[in-house]
Amino acid sequence: SQTIHQWPATLVQPVGSPLSLECTVEGTSNPNLYWYRQAAGRGLQLLFYSIGIDQISSEVPQNLSASRPQDRQFILSSKKLLLSDSGFYLCAWRSKAGGLNTGELFFGEGSRLTVL
Amino acid sequence: AQKVTQAQTEISVVEKEDVTLDCVYETRDTTYYLFWYKQPPSGELVFLIRRNSFDEQNEISGRYSWNFQKSTSSFNFTITASQVVDSAVYFCALSEAPQGGSEKLVFGKGTKLTVNP
Repeated sequence: SQTIHQWPATLVQPVGSPLSLECTVEGTSNPNLYWYRQAAGRGLQLLFYSIGIDQISSEVPQNLSASRPQDRQFILSSKKLLLSDSGFYLCAWRSKAGGLNTGELFFGEGSRLTVL
Repeated sequence: AQKVTQAQTEISVVEKEDVTLDCVYETRDTTYYLFWYKQPPSGELVFLIRRNSFDEQNEISGRYSWNFQKSTSSFNFTITASQVVDSAVYFCALSEAPQGGSEKLVFGKGTKLTVNP
Protein backbone atom coordinates (compact mmCIF):
# COMPACT_ATOMS: atom_id res chain seq x y z
CA SER A 1 0.00 0.00 0.00
CA GLN A 2 1.04 3.58 -0.53
CA THR A 3 2.20 5.81 2.27
CA ILE A 4 3.34 9.39 2.50
CA HIS A 5 5.50 10.86 5.21
CA GLN A 6 6.63 14.38 5.85
CA TRP A 7 8.95 15.81 8.46
CA PRO A 8 9.56 17.49 10.72
CA ALA A 9 6.10 17.51 12.27
CA THR A 10 6.74 20.70 14.17
CA LEU A 11 9.27 23.43 13.61
CA VAL A 12 9.96 26.75 15.31
CA GLN A 13 12.35 28.98 13.41
CA PRO A 14 13.54 32.58 13.75
CA VAL A 15 12.90 35.11 11.02
CA GLY A 16 15.64 35.01 8.43
CA SER A 17 16.62 31.41 9.04
CA PRO A 18 16.49 28.73 6.33
CA LEU A 19 13.82 26.07 5.98
CA SER A 20 13.71 22.55 4.66
CA LEU A 21 10.61 20.37 4.83
CA GLU A 22 10.80 16.89 3.34
CA CYS A 23 8.15 14.62 1.95
CA THR A 24 8.54 11.03 0.80
CA VAL A 25 6.03 8.74 -0.86
CA GLU A 26 6.30 4.96 -0.78
CA GLY A 27 4.50 2.22 -2.65
CA THR A 28 3.92 4.10 -5.89
CA SER A 29 5.99 5.41 -8.77
CA ASN A 30 5.89 8.61 -10.82
CA PRO A 31 3.25 10.31 -8.69
CA ASN A 32 2.21 13.92 -8.92
CA LEU A 33 3.41 15.69 -5.78
CA TYR A 34 2.03 18.80 -4.13
CA TRP A 35 2.81 21.27 -1.36
CA TYR A 36 -0.11 23.10 0.24
CA ARG A 37 -0.09 25.66 3.04
CA GLN A 38 -2.90 26.18 5.50
CA ALA A 39 -2.67 29.47 7.34
CA ALA A 40 -4.74 30.01 10.47
CA GLY A 41 -8.39 30.55 9.62
CA ARG A 42 -7.82 30.05 5.93
CA GLY A 43 -8.20 27.27 3.45
CA LEU A 44 -5.59 25.23 1.67
CA GLN A 45 -3.40 27.20 -0.67
CA LEU A 46 -1.51 25.32 -3.35
CA LEU A 47 2.14 26.36 -3.34
CA PHE A 48 3.87 23.97 -5.73
CA TYR A 49 3.15 20.87 -7.71
CA SER A 50 5.37 18.48 -9.62
CA ILE A 51 4.58 16.00 -12.35
CA GLY A 52 8.09 14.51 -12.44
CA ILE A 53 11.69 14.78 -11.34
CA ASP A 54 12.95 18.37 -11.56
CA GLN A 55 9.56 19.47 -12.95
CA ILE A 56 8.14 22.04 -10.55
CA SER A 57 5.27 24.45 -11.04
CA SER A 58 4.85 27.38 -8.71
CA GLU A 59 1.39 28.71 -8.01
CA VAL A 60 2.06 31.85 -6.03
CA PRO A 61 5.02 34.22 -5.83
CA GLN A 62 6.77 33.86 -2.51
CA ASN A 63 10.11 33.31 -0.89
CA LEU A 64 9.65 29.54 -0.86
CA SER A 65 10.98 27.06 -3.38
CA ALA A 66 10.45 23.39 -4.08
CA SER A 67 12.62 20.65 -5.50
CA ARG A 68 12.10 17.06 -6.54
CA PRO A 69 15.51 15.40 -6.68
CA GLN A 70 14.06 11.89 -6.78
CA ASP A 71 10.82 10.42 -8.08
CA ARG A 72 9.19 10.09 -4.68
CA GLN A 73 10.85 12.93 -2.78
CA PHE A 74 9.55 16.47 -2.61
CA ILE A 75 11.31 19.21 -0.65
CA LEU A 76 10.05 22.64 0.36
CA SER A 77 12.74 25.21 1.12
CA SER A 78 13.40 28.78 1.98
CA LYS A 79 16.67 30.68 2.29
CA LYS A 80 15.23 33.28 4.67
CA LEU A 81 11.95 32.77 6.47
CA LEU A 82 9.41 35.55 6.97
CA LEU A 83 6.83 35.84 9.72
CA SER A 84 4.15 35.30 7.10
CA ASP A 85 5.57 31.87 6.30
CA SER A 86 4.09 30.49 9.51
CA GLY A 87 1.44 27.87 8.88
CA PHE A 88 0.60 24.24 8.46
CA TYR A 89 2.29 22.70 5.43
CA LEU A 90 0.83 19.64 3.81
CA CYS A 91 2.45 17.41 1.24
CA ALA A 92 0.24 15.29 -0.99
CA TRP A 93 0.51 12.81 -3.83
CA ARG A 94 -1.78 11.84 -6.65
CA SER A 95 -1.70 8.84 -8.94
CA LYS A 96 -1.24 9.12 -12.68
CA ALA A 97 -3.03 5.80 -13.16
CA GLY A 98 -4.41 5.51 -16.66
CA GLY A 99 -2.72 8.75 -17.66
CA LEU A 100 -5.47 10.76 -16.11
CA ASN A 101 -4.81 13.07 -13.21
CA THR A 102 -8.30 13.09 -11.89
CA GLY A 103 -7.93 11.07 -8.76
CA GLU A 104 -7.96 12.18 -5.21
CA LEU A 105 -4.99 13.57 -3.34
CA PHE A 106 -3.54 11.65 -0.43
CA PHE A 107 -2.04 13.85 2.25
CA GLY A 108 0.80 13.54 4.69
CA GLU A 109 0.53 14.28 8.37
CA GLY A 110 1.50 17.91 7.97
CA SER A 111 4.32 20.10 9.28
CA ARG A 112 3.49 22.99 11.57
CA LEU A 113 5.91 25.87 11.11
CA THR A 114 6.09 28.81 13.48
CA VAL A 115 8.33 31.69 12.53
CA LEU A 116 9.22 34.01 15.41
CA ALA B 1 -10.42 29.90 -13.28
CA GLN B 2 -11.37 27.32 -10.72
CA LYS B 3 -13.00 28.50 -7.53
CA VAL B 4 -14.68 26.78 -4.60
CA THR B 5 -16.82 28.62 -2.07
CA GLN B 6 -17.83 27.25 1.29
CA ALA B 7 -19.92 30.05 2.73
CA GLN B 8 -20.36 28.46 6.14
CA THR B 9 -17.27 29.17 8.20
CA GLU B 10 -18.45 27.38 11.33
CA ILE B 11 -21.44 25.22 12.22
CA SER B 12 -22.37 23.93 15.64
CA VAL B 13 -24.98 21.23 16.19
CA VAL B 14 -26.10 18.90 18.91
CA GLU B 15 -25.45 15.20 18.57
CA LYS B 16 -28.00 13.30 16.46
CA GLU B 17 -28.97 16.39 14.47
CA ASP B 18 -28.62 16.32 10.70
CA VAL B 19 -26.29 18.91 9.20
CA THR B 20 -25.60 20.02 5.64
CA LEU B 21 -22.34 21.59 4.54
CA ASP B 22 -22.62 23.74 1.44
CA CYS B 23 -20.19 23.89 -1.46
CA VAL B 24 -20.50 26.03 -4.58
CA TYR B 25 -17.94 25.84 -7.35
CA GLU B 26 -16.94 27.73 -10.48
CA THR B 27 -15.23 26.29 -13.53
CA ARG B 28 -15.16 26.89 -17.27
CA ASP B 29 -14.51 23.24 -18.03
CA THR B 30 -17.28 20.83 -18.88
CA THR B 31 -15.31 17.96 -17.39
CA TYR B 32 -14.23 18.29 -13.80
CA TYR B 33 -14.07 16.46 -10.50
CA LEU B 34 -15.35 17.39 -7.10
CA PHE B 35 -14.07 16.16 -3.75
CA TRP B 36 -14.78 16.34 -0.06
CA TYR B 37 -12.10 15.98 2.60
CA LYS B 38 -12.28 15.81 6.38
CA GLN B 39 -9.60 17.36 8.58
CA PRO B 40 -9.86 16.15 12.20
CA PRO B 41 -7.99 17.97 14.98
CA SER B 42 -4.90 15.86 14.24
CA GLY B 43 -4.50 17.86 11.02
CA GLU B 44 -4.23 15.18 8.37
CA LEU B 45 -6.74 15.44 5.53
CA VAL B 46 -8.88 12.38 4.95
CA PHE B 47 -10.44 11.78 1.56
CA LEU B 48 -14.23 11.21 1.67
CA ILE B 49 -15.58 11.23 -1.87
CA ARG B 50 -14.88 12.05 -5.50
CA ARG B 51 -17.57 12.86 -8.05
CA ASN B 52 -17.10 13.56 -11.77
CA SER B 53 -19.11 16.16 -13.62
CA PHE B 54 -21.01 13.60 -15.70
CA ASP B 55 -22.42 11.76 -12.76
CA GLU B 56 -25.13 13.70 -10.97
CA GLN B 57 -26.45 10.79 -8.99
CA ASN B 58 -26.57 11.44 -5.30
CA GLU B 59 -24.41 9.19 -3.22
CA ILE B 60 -24.93 7.77 0.23
CA SER B 61 -22.32 6.16 2.41
CA GLY B 62 -23.59 5.28 5.83
CA ARG B 63 -24.53 8.53 7.57
CA TYR B 64 -22.92 10.60 4.82
CA SER B 65 -24.66 11.71 1.66
CA TRP B 66 -23.76 14.05 -1.15
CA ASN B 67 -26.04 16.08 -3.41
CA PHE B 68 -24.45 17.15 -6.70
CA GLN B 69 -26.46 19.65 -8.77
CA LYS B 70 -24.82 21.04 -11.89
CA SER B 71 -27.68 23.50 -12.44
CA THR B 72 -26.68 25.36 -9.30
CA SER B 73 -22.98 24.38 -9.35
CA SER B 74 -23.29 22.90 -5.91
CA PHE B 75 -21.97 19.79 -4.23
CA ASN B 76 -23.44 19.70 -0.75
CA PHE B 77 -22.57 17.24 1.98
CA THR B 78 -25.06 16.02 4.58
CA ILE B 79 -24.29 14.15 7.77
CA THR B 80 -27.30 12.38 9.22
CA ALA B 81 -27.57 11.79 12.94
CA SER B 82 -24.31 13.58 13.65
CA GLN B 83 -21.88 12.28 16.22
CA VAL B 84 -19.16 13.94 18.27
CA VAL B 85 -16.54 12.15 16.17
CA ASP B 86 -17.80 14.07 13.14
CA SER B 87 -16.34 17.26 14.60
CA ALA B 88 -13.72 18.43 12.12
CA VAL B 89 -13.06 20.91 9.37
CA TYR B 90 -14.53 19.79 6.07
CA PHE B 91 -13.12 20.91 2.74
CA CYS B 92 -14.71 20.85 -0.68
CA ALA B 93 -12.34 20.79 -3.66
CA LEU B 94 -12.42 20.99 -7.45
CA SER B 95 -10.11 19.60 -10.12
CA GLU B 96 -10.50 20.37 -13.79
CA ALA B 97 -9.86 17.58 -16.31
CA PRO B 98 -6.27 17.47 -17.60
CA GLN B 99 -7.24 18.16 -21.21
CA GLY B 100 -8.60 21.55 -20.47
CA GLY B 101 -7.12 22.33 -17.12
CA SER B 102 -4.19 21.60 -14.91
CA GLU B 103 -2.98 19.19 -12.30
CA LYS B 104 -4.36 21.30 -9.51
CA LEU B 105 -6.89 20.56 -6.83
CA VAL B 106 -8.39 23.83 -5.62
CA PHE B 107 -9.90 23.87 -2.14
CA GLY B 108 -12.56 25.94 -0.46
CA LYS B 109 -11.77 27.62 2.85
CA GLY B 110 -13.43 24.86 4.81
CA THR B 111 -16.33 24.60 7.23
CA LYS B 112 -15.59 23.86 10.86
CA LEU B 113 -18.21 21.51 12.24
CA THR B 114 -18.61 21.10 15.98
CA VAL B 115 -20.93 18.39 17.23
CA ASN B 116 -21.79 18.82 20.89
CA PRO B 117 -22.89 15.93 23.09
